[in-house]
This record gives sequence, C-alpha cells and structure tokens, in this order.
Amino acid sequence: GAGVSQSPSNKVTEKGKDVELRCDPISGHTALYWYRQSLGQGLEFLIYFQGNSAPDKSGLPSDRFSAERTGGSVSTLTIQRTQQEDSAVYLCASSSGLGTYGEQFFGPGTRLTVL
Amino acid sequence: AQTVTQSQPEMSVQEAETVTLSCTYDTSENNYYLFWYKQPPSRQMILVIRQEAYKQQNATENRFSVNFQKAAKSFSLKISDSQLGDTAMYFCAFAKVTLNKLVFGAGTILRVKS
Repeated sequence: GAGVSQSPSNKVTEKGKDVELRCDPISGHTALYWYRQSLGQGLEFLIYFQGNSAPDKSGLPSDRFSAERTGGSVSTLTIQRTQQEDSAVYLCASSSGLGTYGEQFFGPGTRLTVL
Repeated sequence: AQTVTQSQPEMSVQEAETVTLSCTYDTSENNYYLFWYKQPPSRQMILVIRQEAYKQQNATENRFSVNFQKAAKSFSLKISDSQLGDTAMYFCAFAKVTLNKLVFGAGTILRVKS
C-alpha cells in the first residue's frame, strides 16, 4: 500500500517568503507528526496531531510556524517570513495509534532551502 | 525532559563483520519505548528495531539486535554480518508510552566497506 508522501520534495525560497509543506499520511492513520532535521540540531519534534487537533505543538520554534490538518488526513506546515535558519529537511510521520505500540512511518521529507 | 545521546558521530565496519552502535538516554519514566531508525541517503527513515522498557529480553530482528540495560539507561545496536546496504545514518530514539513524539539522538553515520 501507499506510504507517507510529502510535497514538494525540494523547495528553494527567498528570505521573507512564505512556504507551505504538505504531508499525506497513510490512509486510516489518526496520528500525524512533523519533525525537522537540520545540521547542528539533529532531528527535532515540531508538532503532533491526533485527528484534526494538535494536543502537542511544543516543538514549533516560533510563531512564524503553524500547521493544520483537515479531514483527519492531509496536513500542511506553513512557515511565514522564512529565515535562513529555517533551512532544513522537514519530515512527516504517521501512525495508527492503535494498541500498545503505534509505529511511526516516515515520509521522504521536504528539503527547504532559504536563500 | 528526555535526552538521547549517541557518542559516536561516525563508524566504519568491514563487510561481513559485526559492529555495535552506542546510545544512552536520560528519563524519569519507568515505562517507555526505545527505537533504532536507519536513514539511508534517500532520506527515508526506516524502523530497524524497537524495545519496550518493561521487557527484560533484548529485541532481535534478523541481523540486528539490541543490548538494553535499563538501570544504566543504555541501548546499543549490534549489526551482525554487515552488508553494504547497511550504510546509513542510524538514530536512536525514545518515546513515552503515550507515543506522542520521538526524541532522537544526534545520529551515527555507519559506513560498511567492501
């Protein structure tokens, strides 16, 4: 079956522009996660969705970052007024959240470069 | 807050040999999950192996096994009969039982040489 997909694969933008990154989770997965992978910071958690609500958004680095999820499926991560330090790979993961262990399945990521 | 430490930034191993990647963590939780993820150059994160903290038996998955020392908060990964396809970045990760997020270590780059 289809895995987690993310688009675009790569995004180059100019400082100050807004960008939207999209994640399509595995069908039926209720939990969705965003992580950021950058040089010097490793992999860091950004936000977690259960259905359409975000019970944990503690990892969002500033109010320039926001995310939403609609219909319990697709999620969009929006970065406003991008800065060079936002350059990173943004990874999305989903899980069924069922039972005692809900493995997180990752997408291929979006590489964001802010010039 | 939980932290995960991988003290080996890079490692190399000869094909068919065995290699062990180290991971230590810090938590006040008594029950939790530990994971090793593999990230090849394609960027796709792949789960290699997981361990539930309440289980004393070390997890194994084919050529991959862990040495879980709960008291020492240590969780190392052993790769036996290393293959060229094992070349990747390996991340150790921690999750509370609620599994709402993974806390990752900095990663270890593993290179398997022929």
